[in-house]
Amino acid sequence: DTAVSQTPKYLVTQMGNDKSIKCEQNLGHDTMYWYKQDSKKFLKIMFSYNNKELIINETVPNRFSPKSPDKAHLNLHINSLELGDSAVYFCASSKPPDTEAFFGQGTRLTVV
Amino acid sequence: GENVEQHPSTLSVQEGDSAVIKCTYSDSASNYFPWYKQELGKRPQLIIDIRSNVGEKKDQRIAVTLNKTAKHFSLHITETQPEDSAVYFCAAMNSGGYQKVTFGTGTKLQVIP
Repeated sequence: DTAVSQTPKYLVTQMGNDKSIKCEQNLGHDTMYWYKQDSKKFLKIMFSYNNKELIINETVPNRFSPKSPDKAHLNLHINSLELGDSAVYFCASSKPPDTEAFFGQGTRLTVV
Repeated sequence: GENVEQHPSTLSVQEGDSAVIKCTYSDSASNYFPWYKQELGKRPQLIIDIRSNVGEKKDQRIAVTLNKTAKHFSLHITETQPEDSAVYFCAAMNSGGYQKVTFGTGTKLQVIP
């Protein structure tokens, strides 16, 4: 009965590779997000989708491309991975006008 | 855009004492202020929130106050326990807009037994 689940939990990859992180929510929420948490624990929003449409796109390199096949899924694809991409990536969802965000368990990405 | 500042960045208290974390925000359109707790290696989880039409809200040992005029809000934890040790994030958003949540920089709270 996991509310927001993302896979994989850990991802170790070499520089230059392309990787994807998947996220699914079974809460019936309309809005989904991707957040990046760096080594200093700062939580920064990257993207937000509402009913499969992109509504927030922060200053994120073009190498990051979100895809939402339906409103229950929001995947994150990263091309040409760099060392600085190492972080924990959290998926989250919410249902306006309720505003609590439910987070997935996070994906720890390590680029070597 | 919104800017949320949070202080202190680290806080150590003795078990049983109170802890206070303060945040300020810049966008007067923000009307929803959640607080999240993140235990080590875990996901952030909502512990309490407050809307701009309320000045104070309490839930057992935790309370949040909001001063709209000064654009600041605070989290108060009383009778702290070791399990309160975690990183706490404040956040601000305009729930009528695109629901962009801006987080503070986090406070690492350590409760010493």
